[in-house]
Amino acid sequence: EIVLTQSPDTLSLSPGESGTLFCRASQSLNSNYVTWYQQRPGQAPRLLIYGTSYRATGIPARFSGGGSGTDFTLTISRMEPEDFAVYYCQHYGSSFTFGPGTKVDI
Amino acid sequence: QVQLLQSEAELKKPGSTVKVSCTASGDTFGNNGISWVRQAPGRGLEWVGRLIPVLNIRDYGKNLKGRVTFTADTDTNPNVAYMELRSLKFEDTAFYYCAQESLSDTSTLVLGPWGPGTLVTVSS
Repeated sequence: EIVLTQSPDTLSLSPGESGTLFCRASQSLNSNYVTWYQQRPGQAPRLLIYGTSYRATGIPARFSGGGSGTDFTLTISRMEPEDFAVYYCQHYGSSFTFGPGTKVDI
Repeated sequence: QVQLLQSEAELKKPGSTVKVSCTASGDTFGNNGISWVRQAPGRGLEWVGRLIPVLNIRDYGKNLKGRVTFTADTDTNPNVAYMELRSLKFEDTAFYYCAQESLSDTSTLVLGPWGPGTLVTVSS
C-alpha cells in the first residue's frame, strides 16, 4: 500500500511570494500517476496538476509541478489571494490515495 | 463541461442509512466512472470508492467496504449516481463528494469536476 506524506503541514506566505510544497511517497511512483488538487475554504477540491507537471484546464502558469521517484513538488509562484488553500497530492494505482494536505495561508 | 449536483445535507441517527445522489448537469457521465470522496470536518480527503456505470464495475476504499453501495439508474436516469452508507457511526460525519473520473493525457485517471459535497451528520 502506497502512503503519501506532505510537508510542511502549513506554509505561510504573503501575496507575491513564491513557495514549494512537497509530497513524498512510501515507494517509487510512476510520475504519470501523480496529481495535485487545490481546495479553497468552503469549496470542493479541484484538479490542479496531473502527470506530475501538466496543468489542468484553466490553471494559471504560476502553478508548476515536478519530481520523480518518491519525491514530488508543487511550486506556486507569485501568490495571489485566491491561492490560499489546502493542496493535496494524490496517486492513482488501482485506487485513489491522497496525501494529508498542506495548508497555504497568509 | 459537465457540472455535478448533489443532494442536500442529511442528519442521521447512528445505525441508520443515508443515500446521497450525484446528478450530472449539462452533459452525461458518459463512459466515465464516478468516485466518492469524503472529508471529515477539518480533516483530509479519503477515497470511499467508485462506480463505472456503463460497465457496472465497483471498487471500494479500504475503510467502508461492506457498508457502502454505489448505484446508478442507467436505464431510467443515466445522469444520476448514488452512494448509500449503512449502519452509520458518529465517525461517518463528513462531507461526501462525488467526482467524475477522466483519463488524462498521461493515461492516469484524475478526478474532476467535483460536486459541491453533501454534509452527512450522524448524531443521536
